[in-house]
Amino acid sequence: AAGVIQSPRHLIKEKRETATLKCYPIPRHDTVYWYQQGPGQDPQFLISFYEKMQSDKGSIPDRFSAQQFSDYHSELNMSSLELGDSALYFCASSLAASGSWEQYFGPGTRLTVT
Amino acid sequence: AQSVSQHNHHVILSEAASLELGCNYSYGGTVNLFWYVQYPGQHLQLLLKYFSGDPLVKGIKGFEAEFIKSKFSFNLRKPSVQWSDTAEYFCAVNGGASKLTFGTGTRLQVTL
Repeated sequence: AAGVIQSPRHLIKEKRETATLKCYPIPRHDTVYWYQQGPGQDPQFLISFYEKMQSDKGSIPDRFSAQQFSDYHSELNMSSLELGDSALYFCASSLAASGSWEQYFGPGTRLTVT
Repeated sequence: AQSVSQHNHHVILSEAASLELGCNYSYGGTVNLFWYVQYPGQHLQLLLKYFSGDPLVKGIKGFEAEFIKSKFSFNLRKPSVQWSDTAEYFCAVNGGASKLTFGTGTRLQVTL
């Protein structure tokens, strides 16, 4: 079965650079979530989209923005990167209409800021 | 605001020992409960979930969890752990199609 795809899997950037992370949800899934997991930390919710509209917002810095496109893939744009942004960024998808509320996670993008 | 508390931060067990990881939650409304496992360097994988119905749910790899509403708990159990169960375990909660709130995780180390 198709899973959530994230690209790139690894990314190394320098401070003050920008980064774009991409997420391709499971086909027909209409909801995408972004989470950030720092070293030794639990995943923290950043932002979510339902049917291309922002549905919820968590602890996402103003330097970050995200959107969901017409094909339901989502991109997380990160600017003015800081050392503290180094983390594993997970995308998850779900199908709101299914009523199962289960989120399927992608493999993550490991971002290292030097 | 919703929150999840995992009391055991690091658990060390010998193979074949029984496992119980505690999870308590705080949530004002109908709740969905999950246990995820994260193997070293890997992504989160769903072990089991509770939405409604039988409070004893069985998941993959021989894991099970019991939802006790009166105690706001959703403890994870396995009768006999294996070395391959060494991983980080996260309890999570949400209400419907909403963000997951995770506990701080329990690192399980199974020794041979």
